[in-house]
Amino acid sequence: DQQVKQNSPSLSVQEGRISILNCDYTNSMFDYFLWYKKYPAEGPTFLISISSIKDKNEDGRFTVFLNKSAKHLSLHIVPSQPGDSAVYFCATLPPRGATNKLIFGTGTLLAVQP
Amino acid sequence: EAGVAQSPRYKIIEKRQSVAFWCNPISGHATLYWYQQILGQGPKLLIQFQNNGVVDDSQLPKDRFSAERLKGVDSTLKIQPAKLEDSAVYLCASARGFTETQYFGPGTRLLVL
Repeated sequence: DQQVKQNSPSLSVQEGRISILNCDYTNSMFDYFLWYKKYPAEGPTFLISISSIKDKNEDGRFTVFLNKSAKHLSLHIVPSQPGDSAVYFCATLPPRGATNKLIFGTGTLLAVQP
Repeated sequence: EAGVAQSPRYKIIEKRQSVAFWCNPISGHATLYWYQQILGQGPKLLIQFQNNGVVDDSQLPKDRFSAERLKGVDSTLKIQPAKLEDSAVYLCASARGFTETQYFGPGTRLLVL
């Protein structure tokens, strides 16, 4: 039962263009979302997050948009650079409880072509 | 600040053998996590420690997996006996506190033949 879904296993964009990575979730109680970036042979690194009290959060070239009614979020990278080529994971935390384990999607492999 | 350290980086074993992984979290981080990432999937939490106490081990296959965090610093994760389906990357993460950002180590890639 996949609670966080990334339906695009891969995405290829040209350098300088916009990359849009999508994520859907099933539980409307989820209220905090994160994006992690993973290079080969390295662990995931935190990129950006958003709380459900916002619909947008921006950090440099990276912007995350949250559509609560659609249970959908997206990560925009503008402009895309070859160094952005990596696997991007969408993740969420379960509603407040005894644990703050991250629930990850399956990831999207982004390839930015020079 | 040094990151999360893990060893070994790679391990190949035969099924029914045992294996152990080691994790050294970032200094001062009270919370430590072990995740399992099977190829093509996202990481899945196996166990979470707060200092040396277990917070969540609901997804740890306790008949074959065990983990400990003595003295609230380093942690080891053991599999005994290993099965083919245990082939995965085992990621350790740490955080300063319960609601803080999690920082991941490079992982240990396990192949069970």
